[in-house]
Amino acid sequence: DGGITQSPKYLFRKEGQNVTLSCEQNLNHDAMYWYRQDPGQGLRLIYYSQIVNDFQKGDIAEGYSVSREKKESFPLTVTSAQKNPTAFYLCASSIRQGARNSPLHFGNGTRLTVT
Amino acid sequence: AQSVTQLGSHVSVSEGALVLLRCNYSSSVPPYLFWYVQYPNQGLQLLLKYTSAATLVKGINGFEAEFKKSETSFHLTKPSAHMSDAAEYFCAVSGLYNQGGKLIFGQGTELSVKP
Repeated sequence: DGGITQSPKYLFRKEGQNVTLSCEQNLNHDAMYWYRQDPGQGLRLIYYSQIVNDFQKGDIAEGYSVSREKKESFPLTVTSAQKNPTAFYLCASSIRQGARNSPLHFGNGTRLTVT
Repeated sequence: AQSVTQLGSHVSVSEGALVLLRCNYSSSVPPYLFWYVQYPNQGLQLLLKYTSAATLVKGINGFEAEFKKSETSFHLTKPSAHMSDAAEYFCAVSGLYNQGGKLIFGQGTELSVKP
């Protein structure tokens, strides 16, 4: 079955370390997204990419970086500059770039804990 | 600017009772609207979407929502709650034409179902 795979499901890191969250999709979707979820705050957009080798900052991009070297993959790096990195991170994809009426398909998330 | 407000962060109903989860939106362009459900430690699953074809939208698991332009609302309902409906529900509105198909989410409403 097609879908989005996020790994690992749980991730623990020490403060000051960079960490990379994996997101892979086999839906042949053009667009991919990273959201951060915190209790009571809904989902906030970190970065998105509409095509390979292109990506844009979302609402809370500071302290994060991404790459989109392959259509299937959109890894997110949480850098040491991110002041409050502990959160649940969700990757999503959409069938084509810029399509306002297309729903997002989500992975099962990675819960990152930084101590 | 696009935004979504979900009224009530927690809603509790008895099994068999009506479920009503409220969502109001703000959009500077004709909106596309979505409801998602999230079970603990999982990603978001699409319940239904409004894409201007019909104002009453039926989704999965017996849920439906009605788009009311005059009230800028898109409330989610289900006639009879089931224990398995306990989850968090998110309403979302599409971004603008130049925003890469992103979705803007509300804060979420946690639904509890009492036996």
